[in-house]
Amino acid sequence: AQSVAQPEDQVNVAEGNPLTVKCTYSVSGNPYLFWYVQYPNRGLQFLLKYITGDNLVKGSYGFEAEFNKSQTSFHLKKPSALVSDSALYFCAVRDVFRDDKIIFGKGTRLHILP
Amino acid sequence: EAQVTQNPRYLITVTGKKLTVTCSQNMNHEYMSWYRQDPGLGLRQIYYSMNVEVTDKGDVPEGYKVSRKEKRNFPLILESPSPNQTSLYFCASSISGQYSNQPQHFGDGTRLSIL
Repeated sequence: AQSVAQPEDQVNVAEGNPLTVKCTYSVSGNPYLFWYVQYPNRGLQFLLKYITGDNLVKGSYGFEAEFNKSQTSFHLKKPSALVSDSALYFCAVRDVFRDDKIIFGKGTRLHILP
Repeated sequence: EAQVTQNPRYLITVTGKKLTVTCSQNMNHEYMSWYRQDPGLGLRQIYYSMNVEVTDKGDVPEGYKVSRKEKRNFPLILESPSPNQTSLYFCASSISGQYSNQPQHFGDGTRLSIL
């Protein structure tokens, strides 16, 4: 069965420092991987995705993510954090060989400290 | 503007009183889905629809009904709501279930409280 894990419920980072939000996955075939962000009182917004090709994917608001097949990970990164990056982040996976039910992680709350 | 619209945004009601949460998208998307979001559990899929008149159960369908009579609308129905259905609900859509590399567009959520 496919699954996705976000091992940290919360991540605290000082403004200006690099940030990483971790995500690992398990699928039977090749994965489609996504990151979404949720701001207070809003729905999820798409940040970036990995389908195939270059393992480093660039997305919105300066975020990027690195696909690592051997470690089955898709960590979200940003070189320099902003206070406005504080939000709830969700990793999601779709197994290419299954039906179209996407699976979301439980979310990681990112706090950027001024 | 491309969007997914949910109504109402907030609702407080009582056990057993039927309610409907509407969802509408203006992007001509084939795929639509309902999720509930609970603390510590993340997003869990309730029902999804690959196209008009085609619906399927997600991971937590018990106590919910959906319909997809038109492409743009995907209402969520709670026939006899119970307190354990108190949650934050999201509707989402994407271009097509076949093209599953496409991201989903989410509504702003409906916060339901069942007393």
